[in-house]
Amino acid sequence: QKEVEQDPGPLSVPEGAIVSLNCTYSNSAFQYFMWYRQYSRKGPELLMYTYSSGNKEDGRFTAQVDKSSKYISLFIRDSQPSDSATYLCAMIIGGGYQKVTFGIGTKLQVIP
Amino acid sequence: NAGVTQTPKFQVLKTGQSMTLQCAQDMNHNSMYWYRQDPGMGLRLIYYSASEGTTDKGEVPNGYNVSRLNKREFSLRLESAAPSQTSVYFCASSEVGQAGGYTFGSGTRLTVV
Repeated sequence: QKEVEQDPGPLSVPEGAIVSLNCTYSNSAFQYFMWYRQYSRKGPELLMYTYSSGNKEDGRFTAQVDKSSKYISLFIRDSQPSDSATYLCAMIIGGGYQKVTFGIGTKLQVIP
Repeated sequence: NAGVTQTPKFQVLKTGQSMTLQCAQDMNHNSMYWYRQDPGMGLRLIYYSASEGTTDKGEVPNGYNVSRLNKREFSLRLESAAPSQTSVYFCASSEVGQAGGYTFGSGTRLTVV
C-alpha cells in the first residue's frame, strides 16, 4: 500500500463547475500538506500549503485537511479551462529537513 | 528571477551511453533533489542533497550518481543509460526548516533507445 493514494483520473468537468480533488494517506506522522499544479510538459508548481486540520482558502481554491480521517481535499470553485492540469497532493512529516511524499496526481480537464 | 534551471530540456541517448543532467538554483536554497516522473508512477525521488557537501539515496537510485558541486548546482549522471531510464527528470530545491514545499525546474525529457 502506498503512503499516499490519489485517483489519477482523468476528471472532466464543464467550465464553471466546482471541482473536488482528494488524497488519502496512511502515515499519521504527516503534518504538512501541499497541492501542486502541473501543466503539460512543465514542472510542478506549489499551489496551496497547509499545516493543521481545517480549511485554507486562496481565491477560487480551498484546501481542506482532516487528520482524523487522514484525508485531504482541494476544491476549485468556478473552474476555468486554464485550470486544466494535473494536481498532485504532497505531504511532509516535518522537522529540520523535509522529504516530500507525492501522490500520483489527478489529471483535470475543464471543458469550455 | 530564474528559480531552478535544468539543462538540457530534451535528450536522446543510445543504450550504454552516458550523460549528465545539470541543475542550478538561484534562490540560495540549502536542499536540492532529483526526481523522475513516469506515467502511472508519479514522482519518484532518485537522490537528494540536504545541504552542500551531503548527498543521499532516494527511492530509485540504481543506475544514477549525483554531485553537489556547490550550493547552487546539483548534477545527475547516468553512467550507462538503459531504456528503463527513459523518463522526465525534474530537479527541485527547498529551504531547510521551511516546510513550504519545493521549487521545481521545467524538466529534462530523456529517451534511451
